[in-house]
Amino acid sequence: TQLLEQSPQFLSIQEGENLTVYCNSSSVFSSLQWYRQEPGEGPVLLVTVVTGGEVKKLKRLTFQFGDARKDSSLHITAAQPGDTGLYLCALSNTGNQFYFGTGTSLTVIP
Amino acid sequence: NAGVTQTPKFQVLKTGQSMTLQCAQDMNHEYMSWYRQDPGMGLRLIHYSVGAGITDQGEVPNGYNVSRSTTEDFPLRLLSAAPSQTSVYFCASSYPNQPQHFGDGTRLSIL
Repeated sequence: TQLLEQSPQFLSIQEGENLTVYCNSSSVFSSLQWYRQEPGEGPVLLVTVVTGGEVKKLKRLTFQFGDARKDSSLHITAAQPGDTGLYLCALSNTGNQFYFGTGTSLTVIP
Repeated sequence: NAGVTQTPKFQVLKTGQSMTLQCAQDMNHEYMSWYRQDPGMGLRLIHYSVGAGITDQGEVPNGYNVSRSTTEDFPLRLLSAAPSQTSVYFCASSYPNQPQHFGDGTRLSIL
């Protein structure tokens, strides 16, 4: 059983479109991280969200943590080809073990 | 500042062979972890360490051993490789309760 479910699994859009990807858990967690992974490389941290209802913005990326701290979303405005990659969410229990979602593979077509 | 360095980047083994995947970090991080990444499965934790001399099992530890004799190094050993261990392996490090820094991975194929 996957602790974290991400949707959609694959997403292909045209440059300039908006998109949202989701990360859901059946459990409450204290914090959640979003990572982006490009082919041939390891995941790179985008943001950490810790407070229920928290919204963080990173240029065209908006991250939201659900009020009940069981879900999170990543919204990208006006997607660009450079946004192409695998987006992973991850949660931690006490900071010792990290559980990752299955990821959303995003392709932005020029 | 090299960050997290993994070697080798690619490896092909025959079933039953043994090998060690190396991981080194120069950020003085206490926490280090090994993951495997398979299509449709995301990243799964194999083993982790909260400091030198301390290791513990993650989600999928069977078939793998680790040791942590220094803060900098966290090698992963496959004692008898099996085709099911074909995967991409990532090492990561962090400070306590902080997000992780990842290496670029080792792509391992077992024939």
